[in-house]
Amino acid sequence: EDQVTQSPEALRLQEGESSSLNCSYTVSGLRGLFWYRQDPGKGPEFLFTLYSAGEEKEKERLKATLTKKESFLHITAPKPEDSATYLCAVRVTGGGNKLTFGTGTQLKVEL
Amino acid sequence: SQTIHQWPATLVQPVGSPLSLECTVEGTSNPNLYWYRQAAGRGLQLLFYSVGIGQISSEVPQNLSASRPQDRQFILSSKKLLLSDSGFYLCAWGLGQYTGELFFGEGSRLTVL
Repeated sequence: EDQVTQSPEALRLQEGESSSLNCSYTVSGLRGLFWYRQDPGKGPEFLFTLYSAGEEKEKERLKATLTKKESFLHITAPKPEDSATYLCAVRVTGGGNKLTFGTGTQLKVEL
Repeated sequence: SQTIHQWPATLVQPVGSPLSLECTVEGTSNPNLYWYRQAAGRGLQLLFYSVGIGQISSEVPQNLSASRPQDRQFILSSKKLLLSDSGFYLCAWGLGQYTGELFFGEGSRLTVL
């Protein structure tokens, strides 16, 4: 069974304190890994797509990287507005339209 | 630009009552449409997806159903709600059959009492 595990479940940072979120996956064949941001009471917002090991994507203070077993979302010098739950999802070979989501990392950035 | 509307935003329903959640997309044609459910402490669970009018694929057997009467309209229904149907329901759209880039609505919070 395809599995996506995110860690830590929750993370509290001081403003400017860089860190990384982890998304590890066990799948039959990866066809894409996706990062989303979700604010409380809202729908997720798409951030990045990664397809192959070694690939990196950046957007403002966020950088996503991919290896054969996991993905990291690096947050550099975070600000309070980066506080949100970050979700990763995978699409797998033979999975068609289905995305399998992890349970997310709840990030809080404090002043 | 494309927008997605989902309603109602919040509803409280008694066990055994019917349900209808509606989702419409504007600014795009022939989108793939999805219904997800998000329960506390669990990842988003795909319930239904549709690649065209009248075409519905179900991922999880349950007492829910979906319909797509128009290209940009997606409806989630139930004839009789269960307590376990409580959750945060999200409609989403994407282009291309196997895309992972989805655009979500604001969600509908359902509480079944």
